[in-house]
Amino acid sequence: EADIYQTPRYLVIGTGKKITLECSQTMGHDKMYWYQQDPGMELHLIHYSYGVNSTEKGDLSSESTVSRIRTEHFPLTLESARPSHTSQYLCASTPSAREGYTFGSGTRLTVV
Amino acid sequence: GENVEQHPSTLSVQEGDSAVIKCTYSDSASNYFPWYKQELGKRPQLIIDIRSNVGEKKDQRIAVTLNKTAKHFSLHITETQPEDSAVYFCAASIRRGSYIPTFGRGTSLIVHP
Repeated sequence: EADIYQTPRYLVIGTGKKITLECSQTMGHDKMYWYQQDPGMELHLIHYSYGVNSTEKGDLSSESTVSRIRTEHFPLTLESARPSHTSQYLCASTPSAREGYTFGSGTRLTVV
Repeated sequence: GENVEQHPSTLSVQEGDSAVIKCTYSDSASNYFPWYKQELGKRPQLIIDIRSNVGEKKDQRIAVTLNKTAKHFSLHITETQPEDSAVYFCAASIRRGSYIPTFGRGTSLIVHP
């Protein structure tokens, strides 16, 4: 089934660790996005991509990086996790800026 | 900067009543306005959208209206049911180089049986 998949679903790690959150979509969408969201709260844009080899910074990008080597794959890396990174991370994709997003199920990250 | 304001932050209604959530945006060039519903512990899902060349769109019990002159758009839910309880987010495409959907802060809708 065409969808957008995020792994892991839950992650608990120690401070200072490097982590990569995975996001893959099978819909052939060019545009992909990462958002940070505390439960039921505002969505904050972290990074986005318009296609292969294209990445742009959002509002909360300073402590993370992304890559887009393949259309379907858009991983997010935190170089050194901190307790302030504890949150839910949502990946989304869309075929164009005038179409709705499909969101992944999210990764709930806890940094201890 | 360019943003989207959403009101109210919380809305409590009785089953069967109507609910209205309003959003305003600042970029006059915005041309796409989606609404998402996020149930507790689940991913946001698109429920309805409207483009700038249309003033109103309906889908069963939900409707969206757009006033481009005033730069505001609203979600209307009629005959609310307990399963409508969720957080609702509006969004508007805002220019950041290209067009990026910018989200409102969300409205927590509670429908009491």
